[in-house]
Amino acid sequence: AQTVTQSQPEMSVQEAETVTLSCTYDTSESDYYLFWYKQPPSRQMILVIRQEAYKQQNATENRFSVNFQKAAKSFSLKISDSQLGDAAMYFCAYRPLMEYGNKLVFGAGTILRVKS
Amino acid sequence: DAGVTQSPTHLIKTRGQQVTLRCSPKSGHDTVSWYQQALGQGPQFIFQYYEEEERQRGNFPDRFSGHQFPNYSSELNVNALLLGDSALYLCASSLQYDNEQFFGPGTRLTVL
Repeated sequence: AQTVTQSQPEMSVQEAETVTLSCTYDTSESDYYLFWYKQPPSRQMILVIRQEAYKQQNATENRFSVNFQKAAKSFSLKISDSQLGDAAMYFCAYRPLMEYGNKLVFGAGTILRVKS
Repeated sequence: DAGVTQSPTHLIKTRGQQVTLRCSPKSGHDTVSWYQQALGQGPQFIFQYYEEEERQRGNFPDRFSGHQFPNYSSELNVNALLLGDSALYLCASSLQYDNEQFFGPGTRLTVL
């Protein structure tokens, strides 16, 4: 069974600085997708960034980028120029490709606090 | 364009009762997934519906059942409620096999 581990229950960052959230996963598959989702206090989950396992190039979306290390099964999220609106719970998620359907397997989450 | 909507927002039930939660997918989406998110934890996959059939199921007992209607909306039913069923229930919609799932705001279920 696939598992996703987020070892940092909580992180803090000063406004305008950079923070990295860690994620590791366990799978025997070679093809899959990885995601970072943001869940603000309003609860609605929002997709931040996604990475296809077959792509070596790390995904980037504006101030958000990932460091995808396939051999190490590591998928960290870097947030640059942190803003107050980045404060939220962040979830790392894995999507297996060898199953019928597109279910997501989530980690336990990391609370990100942004200090002004 | 309305996103994923869920009703009700909050619900309080007592042990042993039954509950039905509802979800309307984002316009154009044909696949609906349900997740249970206990307080302080990540969402856990319950099941997924496509073309009115259950396509995938997570590790949840048969007390959890669902339905998808011809208009792609969906219901989650939980029978014989336990205290441990207290959680935020999230609905997500997508196109079949599409990578991006859009989540609703969730229904907060409290079982007393």
